[in-house]
Amino acid sequence: SYVLTQPPSVSVAPGQTARITCGGNNIGSKSVHWYQQKPGQAPVLVVYDDSDRPSGIPERFSGSNSGNTATLTISRVEAGDEADYYCQVWDSSSDHPGVFGGGTKLTVL
Amino acid sequence: QVTLRESGPALVKPTQTLTLTCTFSGFSLSTSGMCVSWVRQPPGKALEWLALIDWDDDKYYSTSLKTRLTISKDTSKNQVVLTMTNMDPVDTATYYCARMVPGRIGDYHLDYWGQGTLVTVSS
Repeated sequence: SYVLTQPPSVSVAPGQTARITCGGNNIGSKSVHWYQQKPGQAPVLVVYDDSDRPSGIPERFSGSNSGNTATLTISRVEAGDEADYYCQVWDSSSDHPGVFGGGTKLTVL
Repeated sequence: QVTLRESGPALVKPTQTLTLTCTFSGFSLSTSGMCVSWVRQPPGKALEWLALIDWDDDKYYSTSLKTRLTISKDTSKNQVVLTMTNMDPVDTATYYCARMVPGRIGDYHLDYWGQGTLVTVSS
């Protein structure tokens, strides 16, 4: 089945820009979705279809996807952005279509 | 508004069958494009997709758990049920149900999640 690779951790100072990557074979041909999960809470969709934001998600959250890497970018990082972030694709050609990355812990220094 | 809520036993014994129910509101599983997925998360670990059922009663399963999982729906009750047989302590996890919808090119994402239910497998 399709594999998504994320760095285990990313650290950034408040006010700076955080970039979280999600690697996969020719991932640019798929739609990538991103979820934020804070401790003890259910995941929340923050970016879908590579770069679209659900209603209520700040513009500071953006996404891109090309080649073998998708990226979630969080601008002007705040303490409240500290969380685990997961990428996800739907691999319709596979018999195991639902795929998550291993998650990235974002630490705000 | 869209809501989902998981229900089921908090504790199951090894070898037993787990039955979880997802009760939802704010949408209909008879509407074209609508799906419900189950996702689990062992303590301190990553999310793992388990199964999906769509408006047309098509079903998809994790290949590693396919022999143990069954997903079904009762559209009239707005419920989706997941059963997992032969439970093992490694299946201890928080189990989430979530609405899954297609995006621009038909690839699915999870836009609304339940709060999750912790299932512990122990004798």
